[in-house]
Amino acid sequence: QVQLVESGGGVVQPGRSLRLSCAASGLTFRSHGMHWVRQAPGKGLEWVAVISNDGSNKNYADSVKGRFTISRDNSKNTLYLQMNSLRAEDTAIYYCAKGVYSNGWFYFDYWGQGTLVTVSS
Amino acid sequence: QSVLTQPPSVSGAPGQRVTISCTGSSSNIGAGYDVHWYQQLPGTAPKLLIFGNSNRPSGVPDRFSGSKSGTSASLAITGLQDEDEADYYCQSYDSSLSGSVFGGGTKLTVL
Repeated sequence: QVQLVESGGGVVQPGRSLRLSCAASGLTFRSHGMHWVRQAPGKGLEWVAVISNDGSNKNYADSVKGRFTISRDNSKNTLYLQMNSLRAEDTAIYYCAKGVYSNGWFYFDYWGQGTLVTVSS
Repeated sequence: QSVLTQPPSVSGAPGQRVTISCTGSSSNIGAGYDVHWYQQLPGTAPKLLIFGNSNRPSGVPDRFSGSKSGTSASLAITGLQDEDEADYYCQSYDSSLSGSVFGGGTKLTVL
């Protein structure tokens, strides 16, 4: 069965950096686009970034563009999110999600359990 | 302010039918992009409920159904059960933003 396991969350000061990882198993990782989606405490879901199956194409939400970088290592079945210049408003649970491409975009058929990032001094 | 608009809350008694609306615009739902729905039980990750406007993944009961028309979509839940109490989110693509958009979420309370 498909498993996505995020790690790397924690408490970090504003302006600092953090790298999240998402270890995938039970799927042919290199065949699928992957996403990060976040959820601030008590709030709704916000899409963060996408990376194509081979890592050649990436796209970001405006709220993180220029600060966050999505990447992947298909040899390790792992997805990453490098988060720089963190702000208080980046505080959220970060989920990795497997994308299924359909009619011009993706939906998310598998989600990890999430990792909490808290940006606070 | 979410790009897709959902009612903050809906409620219904066990056995009843409820619907949750998701209203978008000409750059997302109205442009022909599919709408997908997710269920998030308290303290858990979201789970895919409906994909491609009206399709159910394996294992999702047929009490859940989706539809789309114009710039809006709807999720219907019939035969309401206690375990349906959760947050529900719609999702689509927005061509102006060049990325995924979600509704603000709807909290379903089973009375």
